[in-house]
Amino acid sequence: DADVTQTPRNRITKTGKRIMLECSQTKGHDRMYWYRQDPGLGLRLIYYSFDVKDINKGEISDGYSVSRQAQAKFSLSLESAIPNQTALYFCATSDAGEFPRYFGPGTRLTVT
Amino acid sequence: GQSLEQPSEVTAVEGAIVQINCTYQTSGFYGLSWYQQHDGGAPTFLSYNALDGLEETGRFSSFLSRSDSYGYLLLQELQMKDSASYFCARGGANNLFFGTGTRLTVIP
Repeated sequence: DADVTQTPRNRITKTGKRIMLECSQTKGHDRMYWYRQDPGLGLRLIYYSFDVKDINKGEISDGYSVSRQAQAKFSLSLESAIPNQTALYFCATSDAGEFPRYFGPGTRLTVT
Repeated sequence: GQSLEQPSEVTAVEGAIVQINCTYQTSGFYGLSWYQQHDGGAPTFLSYNALDGLEETGRFSSFLSRSDSYGYLLLQELQMKDSASYFCARGGANNLFFGTGTRLTVIP
């Protein structure tokens, strides 16, 4: 079984809809992250969480929100999706003191 | 700033050695990481350098020179499966800033 899983793997939604991307991990890591990747670009950090009660904004948090429901679960929500949020979204985890090390398989999101 | 610079594309022959360079801005620098990403796949962690010098892991090695704000990833005995994108990433206090990636193509 994969250590970091993401659901859904693919999603097409319309402008203005609210959607949630989910991430679960079995590694027991405290640190979890959400990144987005656009074609030909590196990954950019949306939000990160160092434990259940610690949520922090990353470089590009506008238009997104997150929820850390448990140590193993970190969800990303798009409150009102817009076309320029079309991207590949990755969840990642790491142990305390480490940078992101384990990535989920990604969610390909298309906003029409 | 957080920018990193790496070549956009590199082509090398199977069995050869290739070096992928990365330069970065120094503000709030904590270390340099390298990731591999195959098309459609998730990034895979390769290495991390916090101090100057060479770190070796099998066919892959990574080097850092903090005084030169420069690092590189060295891939030896190239295999066709090494064809992928390689990202350097600069560690800050709580974040990792990624370069735009180098697409490596290994040819027979």
